[in-house]
Amino acid sequence: KAGVTQTPRYLIKTRGQQVTLSCSPISGHRSVSWYQQTPGQGLQFLFEYFSETQRNKGNFPGRFSGRQFSNSRSEMNVSTLELGDSALYLCASNIAGNDYGYTFGSGTRLTVV
Amino acid sequence: AQTVTQSQPEMSVQEAETVTLSCTYDTSESDYYLFWYKQPPSRQMILVIRQEAYKQQNATENRFSVNFQKAAKSFSLKISDSQLGDAAMYFCAYRSAGTSGSRLTFGEGTQLTVNP
Repeated sequence: KAGVTQTPRYLIKTRGQQVTLSCSPISGHRSVSWYQQTPGQGLQFLFEYFSETQRNKGNFPGRFSGRQFSNSRSEMNVSTLELGDSALYLCASNIAGNDYGYTFGSGTRLTVV
Repeated sequence: AQTVTQSQPEMSVQEAETVTLSCTYDTSESDYYLFWYKQPPSRQMILVIRQEAYKQQNATENRFSVNFQKAAKSFSLKISDSQLGDAAMYFCAYRSAGTSGSRLTFGEGTQLTVNP
């Protein structure tokens, strides 16, 4: 079966712009989580969506937001981009947010210049 | 809040040898899950092995096994018969079992090099 698909793979944006990243989970998976990975801060949890509702949220400013559609696809949006937002953004899907492991996508590499 | 610590930023091993990666965590919870993930240059995080805290038996997946010491809050990964394809960044991760949702807390990672 198809894995977790993240688009685009690479993105370059200018400071102050906004960006939208997309994540399509494995078919049948209803939970989608987002993580930010940087060399300095490592992997940090952004938020989780389950059945179109945000169920968990990490410690990120309000510029980071997300949503989930009825087909479980999720998008995350970052507004007013800062240089420090340059990172690899990973999404992970899970059947219902349970413990049976999370399947990750290959991420979107965002560079803010 | 839970924290996960991997004290070895880099490790190396000869092909066919055995290597152990260390992970410690801090939590006040009694029920939780622990994971080891592998991240090769392709960037995709791949689940290597998982452990439920309520199970005393250490998890094993082929050449990968863990040494789970709940009292010591230690969760090390042993890779036997190392292969070139094992070279990657390895992350230890924690998830609480007491709350809904799937927030994973990751360690800093250990870069594993496998020498031929």
